[in-house]
Amino acid sequence: EAQVTQNPRYLITVTGKKLTVTCSQNMNHEYMSWYRQDPGLGLRQIYYSMNVEATDKGDVPEGYKVSRKEKRNFPLILESPSPNQTSLYFCASSLSWPATNEKLFFGSGTQLSVL
Amino acid sequence: TQLLEQSPQFLSIQEGENLTVYCNSSSVFSSLQWYRQEPGEGPVLLVTVVTGGEVKKLKRLTFQFGDARKDSSLHITAAQTGDTGLYLCAGAEDSNYQLIWGAGTKLIIKP
Repeated sequence: EAQVTQNPRYLITVTGKKLTVTCSQNMNHEYMSWYRQDPGLGLRQIYYSMNVEATDKGDVPEGYKVSRKEKRNFPLILESPSPNQTSLYFCASSLSWPATNEKLFFGSGTQLSVL
Repeated sequence: TQLLEQSPQFLSIQEGENLTVYCNSSSVFSSLQWYRQEPGEGPVLLVTVVTGGEVKKLKRLTFQFGDARKDSSLHITAAQTGDTGLYLCAGAEDSNYQLIWGAGTKLIIKP
């Protein structure tokens, strides 16, 4: 089944404790992206990647890191989480840049709470 | 960065009624996508509109892209309880490979 898999679904951590949220897609997609979703603010892009070893900042990259060493995986790293990073996070992928006729596939989300 | 204003933010209506959700921007998008999101899940693409003035229909849902490609609307005819969800619009900004998202319309259809 074609899908984007994120882990974990739920995570509670404390300020300053490094964490990684994994994202994997099995559709051989070139484009991958991370979003955070907060009430009333919609989806805001954190980082995106057009292909392997090509990552770029989105609208809210501060406090986050990503890597794209292989096509299928795009982990999101929080080196020193803070309470303002408490949010619902989504990983997404598409065959190429998701405009025109490209479909963006989303994972099921990771609810992160930083205490 | 362009802004995409979505309205209304919240809508609760009875089954069988019609409704329209709007996405507006002061800038031009190369295309615009509509997504539906259910609790505990990621958004799922409903439709992409590309050409100014384009109208696409998906059963009881009608999507329109403004002539100037600055705005879009989603009209639902005879809403059903299964239409309940969060509806999101996203405009494609090809110049910097970003999708600009509206804040969403939370739609509740009451039986």
